[in-house]
This record gives sequence, C-alpha cells and structure tokens, in this order.
Amino acid sequence: KAGVTQTPRYLIKTRGQQVTLSCSPISGHRSVSWYQQTPGQGLQFLFEYFSETQRNKGNFPGRFSGRQFSNSRSEMNVSTLELGDSALYLCASRNGQGGDYGYTFGSGTRLTVV
Amino acid sequence: AQSVTQLDSHVSVSEGTPVLLRCNYSSSYSPSLFWYVQHPNKGLQLLLKYTSAATLVKGINGFEAEFKKSETSFHLTKPSAHMSDAAEYFCVVTLYSSASKIIFGSGTRLSIRP
Repeated sequence: KAGVTQTPRYLIKTRGQQVTLSCSPISGHRSVSWYQQTPGQGLQFLFEYFSETQRNKGNFPGRFSGRQFSNSRSEMNVSTLELGDSALYLCASRNGQGGDYGYTFGSGTRLTVV
Repeated sequence: AQSVTQLDSHVSVSEGTPVLLRCNYSSSYSPSLFWYVQHPNKGLQLLLKYTSAATLVKGINGFEAEFKKSETSFHLTKPSAHMSDAAEYFCVVTLYSSASKIIFGSGTRLSIRP
C-alpha cells in the first residue's frame, strides 16, 4: 500500500510569507503528526491530530498551525515566515494513538526561507 | 519527565564488522522505545520497537536491540555492517499510556569504511 505522501518536496519562500504543507497518511491511519528537523535542534514534535482533533502540541509559536480533514489528510501552515523556519518538515501517520504504535514517516518537505 | 540520550554522535566501522549504537532513556512510566533510520533526503524508517514484550527485539535489515531496564538502555546492534547501513539513526521514546509525546534522540551518524 502507498506510504505517507508529503507535498511539495521542496519549497522556497521569502520572509514574511506564509506556507501550507500537505500530508496524506497511509490509508486507514487516523493519526497524523508533524515534526521539524533542523541541524541545530534535531527533530522536534510540532503537533498530532487524530480524527480531525489536535491531540498534542509541541513547544512552537502560534505561527505554526495545522488541521486534519475527514479523510485524515493533514495540512500544516506557517505564517509570517522567519529565516529560522528553514527546515525539513516531516509528517508521520500511525494506526492508533497509544504509545506503542510505531510511526510511518513521509519523505518530508524541505522548506527554505530566504 | 522522559528523555533519550544517544551517546555517540558519530560511529564509524569497517564493512563486515559489528555495529553498536548506544541509547539511554529516562521515563517515569513504562516506555515504548523505537529505533528509526534516516537516509539522506529521506524520511524516517522504523527499524524496530520495544513495547513491553520480549526484551530482545529483532528488526529489519539484521538489526536488533535489547531493552535493559536496570541500565535504562536500548542499544542497537548488528553483527556485520553493510555499506548500505550508512545513515543517521534515531532512538525514540514515547509514553505507553499516553496519546503521543514523542522524544527523539539527537541521532547517531553511522559511517561504513570499505
């Protein structure tokens, strides 16, 4: 079956702009989470959605937001982009919500802010 | 509070020799522990997971890890390294009883010498 699909793969934006990233989970997976990966901070949890509801949120400013649709697809939005937002953004889906469910990750969207 | 520490930022081994990537964790609850691998410009792939069943966990590509509660460790091993194993490896801990609070280790870059 198809894996987790993230679009676009690469994106270049200017400071102050906003951006929307998309994630399509594995069919049947209802939990989608987002992560930011940078060389300096490593992998950091942004938020997780389950059944269209945000279940957990990491320690990021309000410029970072997301949503999940009824078909479990998710979008992440970053407003008023800053240079420090340049990163690889990874989406992951899983079949349940408990801690023992492993995540399947997409290949990521590499965002560059100039 | 929970945390995960990968003790080596970079490990270099010769092809055909054993691999050991070290991970220590701290968790107030029964943890679920995972190892993921990330090849360049790719997402994270699940290698194996521990979820309170057998303490010796076998994963894909010949990797295995042993959960040692007394040492709070979950080291990743492979008897014989292959060139294709060169990648970044992440040790991950999540709360078993909660709906996701995922903590990533800082990663270990594995290099394989011919």
